[in-house]
Amino acid sequence: NAGVTQTPKFQVLKTGQSMTLQCAQDMNHNSMYWYRQDPGMGLRLIYYSASEGTTDKGEVPNGYNVSRLNKREFSLRLESAAPSQTSVYFCASSDSGTYGYTFGSGTRLTVV
Amino acid sequence: AQSVAQPEDQVNVAEGNPLTVKCTYSVSGNPYLFWYVQYPNRGLQFLLKYITGDNLVKGSYGFEAEFNKSQTSFHLKKPSALVSDSALYFCAVRDPRGARQLTFGSGTQLTVLP
Repeated sequence: NAGVTQTPKFQVLKTGQSMTLQCAQDMNHNSMYWYRQDPGMGLRLIYYSASEGTTDKGEVPNGYNVSRLNKREFSLRLESAAPSQTSVYFCASSDSGTYGYTFGSGTRLTVV
Repeated sequence: AQSVAQPEDQVNVAEGNPLTVKCTYSVSGNPYLFWYVQYPNRGLQFLLKYITGDNLVKGSYGFEAEFNKSQTSFHLKKPSALVSDSALYFCAVRDPRGARQLTFGSGTQLTVLP
C-alpha cells in the first residue's frame, strides 16, 4: 500500500550543484505532478504530466526539468541549484476517475 | 484562470467548539473543489471533495464543507473540534473544462486549544 513514494526525504545542495528528485506511484494513475511548498504561498505547480510521454509547464517551471520515464515514474531535475529553490517538494498522482490527488511525503531541499 | 483564496493564515479554536476554515474560489465554469490536510513533516491528505450534487459534503474525521455557488465559497466545518485536528489545511479548485491540475490556496493553520 505504498501509494506515491518520493526519494530522497532530505537533501542539502551547494549553489550550482545538480540533483534529481525521484517519484514513483503504484496506483496505475495516468497523471503526475510536481509542486513546491513555501511558507505563506501554498503549493505551486512546477510541472505536470497528463499521461505517459507528455509533460507540461506549470506556474513556476524556471530552473527545473522533468522526465516521465514510464507510467509509474516522474522525476524532477535541478540542473544548477539556487538558494531560491530551497523548498519542500511534493509529487502527486491522479487518475481521471477520482479527480483528486494522492501525495507523496515530500522532499525537503536546502540550497546553501 | 482558476484561483483560490484562504483569507485566514491562522485560526484558533477551543476544543469542543465548532470550527470553520474559509475558502473562496474563482473559475470560469462549475468548479471541482477539494480540502486537504497536512500534518507536520507529512504530505497532504485528502479530506473531502465537491464535484456535483448535494451542496453539503461530508468527509474524513467528521469534517464537512458547504458549497455555495452564489458566494463562490467552500468553507470547511466541524461541529466539535479536537486537539488532534490541529494542522495546516488547504483548499483547492479545478475547472473541469480545463486541464486536470489543481490550484491550491495558501493554507490555513488551525490550532485547537485544549
